[in-house]
Amino acid sequence: GDSVTQMEGPVTLSEEAFLTINCTYTATGYPSLFWYVQYPGEGLQLLLKATKADDKGSNKGFEATYRKETTSFHLEKGSVQVSDSAVYFCALSDPFQGGSEKLVFGKGTKLTVNP
Amino acid sequence: NAGVTQTPKFQVLKTGQSMTLQCAQDMNHEYMSWYRQDPGMGLRLIHYSVGAGITDQGEVPNGYNVSRSTTEDFPLRLLSAAPSQTSVYFCASTLLAGGYNEQFFGPGTRLTVL
Repeated sequence: GDSVTQMEGPVTLSEEAFLTINCTYTATGYPSLFWYVQYPGEGLQLLLKATKADDKGSNKGFEATYRKETTSFHLEKGSVQVSDSAVYFCALSDPFQGGSEKLVFGKGTKLTVNP
Repeated sequence: NAGVTQTPKFQVLKTGQSMTLQCAQDMNHEYMSWYRQDPGMGLRLIHYSVGAGITDQGEVPNGYNVSRSTTEDFPLRLLSAAPSQTSVYFCASTLLAGGYNEQFFGPGTRLTVL
């Protein structure tokens, strides 16, 4: 079945550092890809998404590009802030495996940004 | 709009007890689902529903029951709690339409089974 693999955490950075969180996937069909963020004590929120190859999703300074050739969707931010401290989940939905509403999640990467 | 609400926020059960986790949404979303979140495991789909009266199993359905009598509510029932069900449970909802629509998650219920 479909799966998502993201880099193990935790990741600790200083404010204004560059962030990369790696995410790769395997899928039967042509999935849509997502990054969700979970702030402490809260539910998940959609951070960004991409629905086809070479699409770039972006939001709040975060970016990720859908790379079909490498089956990857790495999350990047040029200058992190303390407020970015959260758990980040890479996820996919595959219309050929249960429909576009079912999400398959990676294990999550905890990011801590120190002042 | 309140979005997706879940009650209770925290719950401690003894092995063998039953309980219902409540989930409600006020966005008129057809699709609702339940996930559990375990350390190092990400989120895994338990059950989902595409509309009132229609439910189906996800990846990890054993030990859980659901029903969907209204569009707004999607309760999750544990009939006989086990320590393996200690987890954080999230409810989510979205519109059913062409392509992908953003899923909205509730704040979660942290369940401990002793």
